[in-house]
Amino acid sequence: GAVVSQHPSWVICKSGTSVKIECRSLDFQATTMFWYRQFPKQSLMLMATSNEGSKATYEQGVEKDKFLINHASLTLSTLTVTSAHPEDSSFYICSARDLSGRATYNEQFFGPGTRLTVL
Amino acid sequence: GDSVTQMEGPVTLSEEAFLTINCTYTATGYPSLFWYVQYPGEGLQLLLKATKADDKGSNKGFEATYRKETTSFHLEKGSVQVSDSAVYFCAYSGNTPLVFGKGTRLSVIA
Repeated sequence: GAVVSQHPSWVICKSGTSVKIECRSLDFQATTMFWYRQFPKQSLMLMATSNEGSKATYEQGVEKDKFLINHASLTLSTLTVTSAHPEDSSFYICSARDLSGRATYNEQFFGPGTRLTVL
Repeated sequence: GDSVTQMEGPVTLSEEAFLTINCTYTATGYPSLFWYVQYPGEGLQLLLKATKADDKGSNKGFEATYRKETTSFHLEKGSVQVSDSAVYFCAYSGNTPLVFGKGTRLSVIA
C-alpha cells in the first residue's frame, strides 16, 4: 500500500517548451502532495506544497509562474515547468501523505522521480 | 529554525564493516524521525522511522533510535553489503513537510 507514481520517469525537451509531470497516489487519497527538486549529488529541496482544491503554497525563491502546480483530485497533482530552460534540468520528486490513518502521522510516500533534461 | 544535520560523506566501507551515520535535529515539539535511502537513479525509499522518544526503527539490518535527550537519530548497521551502496537521508516531520539532511553517500566495496 501507499504507492506513489510519477509520469514520465524521464523527459527531454527543447528550450522554451513546457513539460507536465504527473504525480498519482495509487491506493490512497492524498489531500496534500509535495514537490521537490534535487540537483546532482545534493539533497531534496522543497518547491511547493500542493493542496487538493486550493492553490499551492510555494517555498521562498520558487517562481510560481514558472512551476505551475495543479491538484485537481485527491489522487493527482501535476507540475508544469513552463518555458523550460537548461537550468531547469533536474530530478523532480513528488510525495504524498496518506491521511487514512494507515500511515504514521506526517509520513510521506515518495514517487520514483522524473528526470528532466532541457536542451 | 528547524534543521537536520547529518555527517558528511562520502563514506567508503569494506563489506561486513560496521556502519554509523550520525544525524541530529533541531526542532520544536515532538517530531517524527525518518531515514530514507536513494539508490542510484531512483527516488527515495523509506528505510525506517520512529515517532516518539526511545523508539527504535529497524529494517533490513539497519537500526536507529530516537534519542530526545541528545536530539539524535543515528543510523547503524552491523555488517554492510555492497548492495547497501546508496545515499542515505535523515529527515524529520512535525506539522510541516519533511525536512531533509544533506544526505550521506555510502559506498561499500567487496
